[in-house]
Amino acid sequence: ILNVEQSPQSLHVQEGDSTNFTCSFPSSNFYALHWYRWETAKSPEALFVMTLNGDEKKKGRISATLNTKEGYSYLYIKGSQPEDSATYLCAFPAGTALIFGKGTTLSVSS
Amino acid sequence: NAGVMQNPRHLVRRRGQEARLRCSPMKGHSHVYWYRQLPEEGLKFMVYLQKENIIDESGMPKERFSAEFPKEGPSILRIQQVVRGDSAAYFCASSPDEGYEQYFGPGTRLTVT
Repeated sequence: ILNVEQSPQSLHVQEGDSTNFTCSFPSSNFYALHWYRWETAKSPEALFVMTLNGDEKKKGRISATLNTKEGYSYLYIKGSQPEDSATYLCAFPAGTALIFGKGTTLSVSS
Repeated sequence: NAGVMQNPRHLVRRRGQEARLRCSPMKGHSHVYWYRQLPEEGLKFMVYLQKENIIDESGMPKERFSAEFPKEGPSILRIQQVVRGDSAAYFCASSPDEGYEQYFGPGTRLTVT
């Protein structure tokens, strides 16, 4: 059974703090890793699709790195803002399905 | 370009009734996925469909649940004789092809009383 683990489960930071969280996934038969941002009462929004070992992707203040050999990806947020408050999900393709982690819920206080 | 649309957004059913959840994929997308989020759980894959075909239903309960994606019209997830344990948020996603990024709808929150 494929398992995607995310840590921490929740995180509370002050505005301006930089933060990061982890996604662990099976390192064998790697194909891709997806990161999503999910605000309350909205749809999960795709952030990154990462495919290459050592890959680093960036979108504004959010960036992600990938290590396929050891099976982890980090998501970084630089200078967190209250609008960054959301649940961040990673997902690992298994056949036609995406296997999601339970997410890291980030809360940013102003 | 409208995103993935789901309706209704909220659905209340009594035990034993039928629930029908609709999903209209993004324009140009012919691949539809249904996921379920139970309380305190993450998103779990249920079924993957292309137009008129079920490709993978490995995540769908064997009884009472069915899905279709007709040639015309939205994809439908149908739950017959609902029970309290079916209460969950049901999300639909679409993609232009298999293996591509999936775009999610806002979900339908089903409550069974």
